[in-house]
Amino acid sequence: DVKVTQSSRYLVKRTGEKVFLECVQDMDHENMFWYRQDPGLGLRLIYFSYDVKMKEKGDIPEGYSVSREKKERFSLILESASTNQTSMYLCASRSRAEQFFGPGTRLTVL
Amino acid sequence: DQQVKQNSPSLSVQEGRISILNCDYTNSMFDYFLWYKKYPAEGPTFLISISSIKDKNEDGRFTVFLNKSAKHLSLHIVPSQPGDSAVYFCAATPWGNAGNNRKLIWGLGTSLAVNP
Repeated sequence: DVKVTQSSRYLVKRTGEKVFLECVQDMDHENMFWYRQDPGLGLRLIYFSYDVKMKEKGDIPEGYSVSREKKERFSLILESASTNQTSMYLCASRSRAEQFFGPGTRLTVL
Repeated sequence: DQQVKQNSPSLSVQEGRISILNCDYTNSMFDYFLWYKKYPAEGPTFLISISSIKDKNEDGRFTVFLNKSAKHLSLHIVPSQPGDSAVYFCAATPWGNAGNNRKLIWGLGTSLAVNP
């Protein structure tokens, strides 16, 4: 079974803090993704990576950056957290067309 | 501009009856379609998929139908169970178009409630 883990299930941060969300997959997948999910807006792609050190912007990259130093790990960085980044953050890795998701991180920015 | 549309934000069905969730797409390059189920506070889980070379794929209580000419697919759940209550997302990709198929294009989801 594919396993995708995320470093935290719940996180509370203050406005202006730098936030790191970590994601690890154990299936040697090349492609990894970061989404955010908000009510009524579905899953919106922030960034994805198709190889180590390779990244591509998704639909809503503003305010975020990513890092992929090792194949199994894909990190999402909020450089200066803002209240409008309060959301559920979902990491996924891909095998063929299917994406496999982690459990999500519920981030609250106060 | 939504390329994948799930026009019903919510659906309520009686236990034991059929649930039909619909999805429409606009991009004729899409040739592979997936359904995911998501419970609150959890990540989405892959449910079933269909390639454009087929018009039906079945897995237990779940069947997906694809009508390419209408650019429409539907997920049937028979019989529906209370544990099926979740948000269902439809997704599509131009899988046969290598280099342009890395992302999935997602619908906004349909919240299904199965009532006992």
